Amino acid sequence: SYVLTQPPSVSVAPGKTARITCGGKNIANKSVYWYQQKPGQAPVLVIYFDSDRPAGIPERFSGSNSGNTATLTITRVEAGDEADYYCQVWESSSDYVFGNGTKVTVL
Amino acid sequence: EVHLVESGGGLVQPGGSLRLSCAASGFTVSNYYMSWVRQVPGKGLEWVSIIHRGNNTYYADSVKGHFTISRDNSKNTLFLQMNSLRAEDSAVYYCARAESPGNFDYWGQGTLVTVSS
Repeated sequence: SYVLTQPPSVSVAPGKTARITCGGKNIANKSVYWYQQKPGQAPVLVIYFDSDRPAGIPERFSGSNSGNTATLTITRVEAGDEADYYCQVWESSSDYVFGNGTKVTVL
Repeated sequence: EVHLVESGGGLVQPGGSLRLSCAASGFTVSNYYMSWVRQVPGKGLEWVSIIHRGNNTYYADSVKGHFTISRDNSKNTLFLQMNSLRAEDSAVYYCARAESPGNFDYWGQGTLVTVSS
C-alpha cells in the first residue's frame, strides 16, 4: 500500500512561513489533497489537485507537488492556523491514503 | 449551504452492530461520491468506505466483509452498517462528500463509536 510521510510537527512564528511536506514515491504523478483539522473539529479541505484552493480558503495557503514530495505552504502565519494538517492521495477506487498528520504550532 | 450530520454512534460490545447515519442537506447525495472516514481520538485519519454515484461500493481492507455502505436517496442520507465490531473499530466516524473520486470537500462533525465490554 502507498505510504505518505509527514513530519510530526512544525513550529512557526506569527507572520512567518510554514512549510509542511508530504513524502511519497513518485507523488508528483498523483493529485494531492490537504486538510486542516482544528481540535474537536472536522477536517476542512484547504488544497485540492496539488495547488487549487476551495472557495473561502485564504490565498496564504498554497500547494506544490514535485518528485517525491508535495508541500503545503502557509504564508503570513496567524494564530488561527494552528491545527493538524493531513495530506491525502487517491490510489484507486478502494485505496485512499492519508499522511500521518503534521501539528502546526504558532509560537 | 452544504451540511452533513452524522448520528448513530455509541457504546457497543465486541461482536455487536451499529448503524451510522449521515443526513445531508444543501445537495443531493446521489449526485456525489459519499464516503466514511474514521479517526481514533488523538490519531490520524483512516478512509473506511465510499459509494459512487453509480452505486458501486468500495471498502478498506480493514473493514471489508463486516461494514456495508449504502444510501437512501429519498431521505438524502448515507449509512454505514457495522457488524462484528471489534475494539479497533472504536473511532470518530466522519461522513464526507467527494465531488471527484479523489478528494473530500465537505465533512460532517463526526459520531463517536466505542467498542468495549
